[in-house]
Amino acid sequence: QLQLQESGPGLVKPSQTLSLTCIVSGGSISTGGHQWTWIRQLPGKGLQWIGYVYHSGSTYYTPSLESRVAISLDTSENQVSLRLNSVTAADTAVYYCARVRYFDTSASFDYWGQGILVTVSS
Amino acid sequence: DIQMTQSPSSVSASVGDRVTITCRASQDINKWLAWYQQRPRQAPKLLIYAASKLSSGVPSRFSGSGSGTDFTLTIGSLQPEDSATYFCQQGTGYPYTFGQGTKVEI
Repeated sequence: QLQLQESGPGLVKPSQTLSLTCIVSGGSISTGGHQWTWIRQLPGKGLQWIGYVYHSGSTYYTPSLESRVAISLDTSENQVSLRLNSVTAADTAVYYCARVRYFDTSASFDYWGQGILVTVSS
Repeated sequence: DIQMTQSPSSVSASVGDRVTITCRASQDINKWLAWYQQRPRQAPKLLIYAASKLSSGVPSRFSGSGSGTDFTLTIGSLQPEDSATYFCQQGTGYPYTFGQGTKVEI
């Protein structure tokens, strides 16, 4: 059974960089042709898709965050990482990593981590 | 971006009731829609993909339908454990986007 677990600091100061890691167990991130994604849930609001990294290392980011975000794979540690630069209070959210499942050409998210709350505050 | 609009924003129902949630896309997304259930303090769980296909292990009282711009999630006989927020998500156009959620209270 695939399991995902996010880790990282729960508090980040404004203008600094948010760095999170997603440890994947029960399967390899570099096989199977899957994409790995980060999604965040803003307080009291809905879900925002941040972007994905393909098993080859190629990436795609949502345009509103593209200038500040990077998602990468560490295949030796079976981890997926998220970096978000120049954070503000508006980046306070629960951050989830998830696996992308494709059916035909459509994406859904079939395995999720439990999420990690990151607060941006001085 | 493709906008996803859910209705209602919340619904209160009794055990055994049939509950229907709708999701409308701002443009044609074929059948490329997924539904998720999020219980309090938990991560979302995939219920349905490709508009009508049940994800592994999901009870058969959950069903989905629709294509194009209009979709529905139906809970055939509401159970206490179905108390949660339900989200739709389009998976065909970047960036992938979610509906704002429908809270089901029992």
